[in-house]
Amino acid sequence: GQSLEQPSEVTAVEGAIVQMNCTYQTSGFYGLSWYQQHDGGAPTFLSYNALDGLEETGRFSSFLSRSDSYGYLLLQELQMKDSASYFCAVRYVNTGFQKLVFGTGTRLLVSP
Amino acid sequence: EAGVAQSPRYKIIEKRQSVAFWCNPISGHATLYWYQQILGQGPKLLIQFQNNGVVDDSQLPKDRFSAERLKGVDSTLKIQPAKLEDSAVYLCASSSTYSGGLLPLGSPLHFGNGTRLTVT
Repeated sequence: GQSLEQPSEVTAVEGAIVQMNCTYQTSGFYGLSWYQQHDGGAPTFLSYNALDGLEETGRFSSFLSRSDSYGYLLLQELQMKDSASYFCAVRYVNTGFQKLVFGTGTRLLVSP
Repeated sequence: EAGVAQSPRYKIIEKRQSVAFWCNPISGHATLYWYQQILGQGPKLLIQFQNNGVVDDSQLPKDRFSAERLKGVDSTLKIQPAKLEDSAVYLCASSSTYSGGLLPLGSPLHFGNGTRLTVT
């Protein structure tokens, strides 16, 4: 089976940097994705790591260590609009098809 | 490009009633997913289609849930009869098979706005 663990909640202030961790156990691992979801909204794709290392997209960076089954999402220069839930999702291959399973999510609260 | 369309946006039914949700994916996307998201939890995959064939329905409660994707485009998800624990947001998503490049980029999922179901 597949399992992912994320801290349930993280708080930070505007302008700060926050790191949200994700550990996983999976077979047929292909890559790790991150999605953002505002309350009442749909999840939206942020990033994807298939190889070890850091991927940067503007204020967002995502890191993957395949040997440690670990990844994190880093948000810099936090803004109020970053308050949302952040889900890591493992992409794996089973029966010849790519599949995606989501973690329980980390709720980020950004205060002034 | 137009996004994933879902309807209805909200639905309230009594337990033991039936309900159906509709999804129209992004044009050309071969893969379609239905996820159930209970408040405070991550999305849980119910069923995944590749074109009009089922790839994974291992977590679909088949005694009450059914889904189809005729002609490999639109899809409907039905619950009959509904239970209180079915109260959740039902999310439809679609993705293309590959995003291009030397390595498959894992094709991001594009989600619709979901249907919020309340079973009383």
